[in-house]
Amino acid sequence: AQTVTQSQPEMSVQEAETVTLSCTYDTSESNYYLFWYKQPPSRQMILVIRQEAYKQQNATENRFSVNFQKAAKSFSLKISDSQLGDTAMYFCARISNFGNEKLTFGTGTRLTIIP
Amino acid sequence: DTGVSQDPRHKITKRGQNVTFRCDPISEHNRLYWYRQTLGQGPEFLTYFQNEAQLEKSRLLSDRFSAERPKGSFSTLEIQRTEQGDSAMYLCASSPRDGGTDTQYFGPGTRLTVL
Repeated sequence: AQTVTQSQPEMSVQEAETVTLSCTYDTSESNYYLFWYKQPPSRQMILVIRQEAYKQQNATENRFSVNFQKAAKSFSLKISDSQLGDTAMYFCARISNFGNEKLTFGTGTRLTIIP
Repeated sequence: DTGVSQDPRHKITKRGQNVTFRCDPISEHNRLYWYRQTLGQGPEFLTYFQNEAQLEKSRLLSDRFSAERPKGSFSTLEIQRTEQGDSAMYLCASSPRDGGTDTQYFGPGTRLTVL
């Protein structure tokens, strides 16, 4: 099975600090896509950031950046200058590039930003 | 874009009853996905459509589940003879293109409780 593993069920950090969420995955493919989705309490899931495996450069979206280590099959999310609105469940997910379009999600990390 | 919408947002039913959920994707999005999310877990893929064609179904989609997308626009997910184990959040997502690997945009979900 193509799995995605998030080993940190819960994390908390003080507002304005930096936090890193971990994700590892299993794949036998050379090209695929990786995603971080955010699911705030009682709200819908939204895309935070996306990485294409053939791109060596780490993706960045404002305060959010990833550390993509292809050989290690690791895809961590760094949130800088954390804000109260960052409080949410964060899911790492992957999708293959060749016909299998379904997202495979990890179990999530519950992140709490402390004021 | 108005975003992906789902109806109803909440459904409480008795075991053995049939339920039907509706998903309206972002307009002009060709692909539509259904996922199921149980408490404390990441979403799990159920099925997806490209236009009106159902291209893949998960083993999670038992014979009691059926999904349709008759005109390539909205989709319905029906569960017959509901069981307590069907209690979950049912998420719909859509993505814009035929083929390729595009970001999936999620709706708010329908939370099903089977008593």
